[in-house]
Amino acid sequence: QKEVEQDPGPLSVPEGAIVSLNCTYSNSAFQYFMWYRQYSRKGPELLMYTYSSGNKEDGRFTAQVDKSSKYISLFIRDSQPSDSATYLCAMRRNYQLIWGAGTKLIIKP
Amino acid sequence: NAGVMQNPRHLVRRRGQEARLRCSPMKGHSHVYWYRQLPEEGLKFMVYLQKENIIDESGMPKERFSAEFPKEGPSILRIQQVVRGDSAAYFCASSLTEGQNTGELFFGEGSRLTVL
Repeated sequence: QKEVEQDPGPLSVPEGAIVSLNCTYSNSAFQYFMWYRQYSRKGPELLMYTYSSGNKEDGRFTAQVDKSSKYISLFIRDSQPSDSATYLCAMRRNYQLIWGAGTKLIIKP
Repeated sequence: NAGVMQNPRHLVRRRGQEARLRCSPMKGHSHVYWYRQLPEEGLKFMVYLQKENIIDESGMPKERFSAEFPKEGPSILRIQQVVRGDSAAYFCASSLTEGQNTGELFFGEGSRLTVL
């Protein structure tokens, strides 16, 4: 069993919809939780990181962490075609990042 | 302010040849990380270096792979006697501090290695 599980998708939604992306994990020692966005043929770029349980908002993006359920989410409001990309969750163990496989998101105009 | 620069972007090698991938971190960054990404899979940590030092190479295969980050010049990931299973995208990331603590890593665009 992988330490971090993430549905690879693809997830296809119409423009303007609210998108929910999720990861589950098995190691309760994980401390920091990150979401990265990766466009095709590009390197990942950091979207958000959180430390504690709860919500963190940045513009159209909200990151949610539930440590009791070992579950993290990224919500995207008012989704745009430019949001089409692969979204990877990552979690810190010691000083290594452990990554989910990434969810491919397609926003249809 | 240039980002993380990786070259070559694409590299084709035959089995048994050597592959050298280069990474210049962002200006002022002294922490460099190498990751490997296979299709439909997440990033796999390989090695973490600071100038002239390997801090953590626990993700690096014990044979054929090596990495360095000299005092002057780029970081280099070297793969000797490549095999088809080495075909992947190799990403370099840099950070100002020990960025894996908070995930504030800045990634290059990757080097895609194809082994024939």
